[in-house]
Amino acid sequence: DAMVIQNPRYQVTQFGKPVTLSCSQTLNHNVMYWYQQKSSQAPKLLFHYYDKDFNNEADTPDNFQSRRPNTSFCFLDIRSPGLGDAAMYLCATSRDRYSYEQYFGPGTRLTVT
Amino acid sequence: QKEVEQNSGPLSVPEGAIASLNCTYSDRVSQSFFWYRQYSGKSPELIMSIYSNGDKEDGRFTAQLNKASQYVSLLIRDSQPSDSATYLCAVGNYGGSQGNLIFGKGTKLSVKP
Repeated sequence: DAMVIQNPRYQVTQFGKPVTLSCSQTLNHNVMYWYQQKSSQAPKLLFHYYDKDFNNEADTPDNFQSRRPNTSFCFLDIRSPGLGDAAMYLCATSRDRYSYEQYFGPGTRLTVT
Repeated sequence: QKEVEQNSGPLSVPEGAIASLNCTYSDRVSQSFFWYRQYSGKSPELIMSIYSNGDKEDGRFTAQLNKASQYVSLLIRDSQPSDSATYLCAVGNYGGSQGNLIFGKGTKLSVKP
């Protein structure tokens, strides 16, 4: 089955220790998104790629970076995690920039100690 | 600031009843509307898309859209305990980056056996 996969599902890191979250997709979708979601809040868009065209949200902290080496994979790098970065990180895809239907992966729960 | 508003709930209904979830949005140019179901600790799952005024039915779910009133709703017939989740309303952000969604904070639904 075509799907969006995120690894790891749970990640524990220490304050200030860099961490990388990964996302892969077999849907062959052109667009990939990274969201941050905290408890009882709406998903907050961090950035997205139209193919290799990177788009950063204005309020995404510089501490967050992303890479998309190919169509199937996308990575979220948190350079120096703070306690406030503990959250669920969601990867989503959509077919192309004109399609608003987004499909989410299972998410990575990040804990910062 | 474009907004999507939902009653946070919790909305509690007995098993077998109709659950009615409501959402209003601020951006008049929006053309795409979605309902996502999110179980506790899990990622959002797309359950309904609607693009035209009126009703769209899929099994026990009916989405209703009224663009003039900027209102979209989700009806769940014959509610089951397994429907207990948070339901996120999402609206296409047509004035911003193409393909992006604006999410509401979600309504928590509890179906009592």
